[in-house]
Amino acid sequence: QVQLVESGGGVVQPGGSLRLSCAASGFTFSSYGMHWVRQAPGKGLEWVAFIRYDGSNKYYADSVKGRFTISRDNSKNTLYLQMNSLRAEDTAVYYCAKDSSWGVPYYFDYWGQGTLVTVSS
Amino acid sequence: EIVLTQSPATLSLSPGERATLSCGASQSVSSSYLAWYQQKPGLAPRLLIYDASSRATGIPDRFSGSGSGTDFTLTISRLEPEDFAVYYCQHMGTFGQGTKLEIK
Repeated sequence: QVQLVESGGGVVQPGGSLRLSCAASGFTFSSYGMHWVRQAPGKGLEWVAFIRYDGSNKYYADSVKGRFTISRDNSKNTLYLQMNSLRAEDTAVYYCAKDSSWGVPYYFDYWGQGTLVTVSS
Repeated sequence: EIVLTQSPATLSLSPGERATLSCGASQSVSSSYLAWYQQKPGLAPRLLIYDASSRATGIPDRFSGSGSGTDFTLTISRLEPEDFAVYYCQHMGTFGQGTKLEIK
């Protein structure tokens, strides 16, 4: 069965950096686009970033563009999110999600359990 | 950029009743790119409906989706206790703000 397991969350000071990982199993990771989606405490879902199946194209929400970088290692079945210049408003649960397609954001058919990132001094 | 607006923000109903949730798009979207999710407290969202009207694997047939263009609807025909949750619509990289379905 499809499994997505996020890791790397924690507490970081404003201006700091953090790298999230998402280990995928149960499907052919290299054939699907992947996303990061976040949810601030008590708030709704916010799409963060998408990467095509082969890593050739990446898309970002305006709120994170220039600060966050999505990447993947298909040999390790792992998705990453490098987060730099973190702000208090980046505090959220970060979900890794599998897209149903390979090329453009379509819909999210599987989700991880999420990892909490807290930006605070 | 497309904005999705969900209504109502909160819907109070009793088990056994019919729920109708709306999602309006700021401009016309392809029905192939409209999905609905359910989220319960402390859990990840779960895909319910994709392509506006197709049920995801394992989703009961009391859930149905419809609509086209700028107006989409998620209908739950007879509410079960486990259906009380928050529901989101999604188009590509955009989510609606959510509708909380609560027990009356």
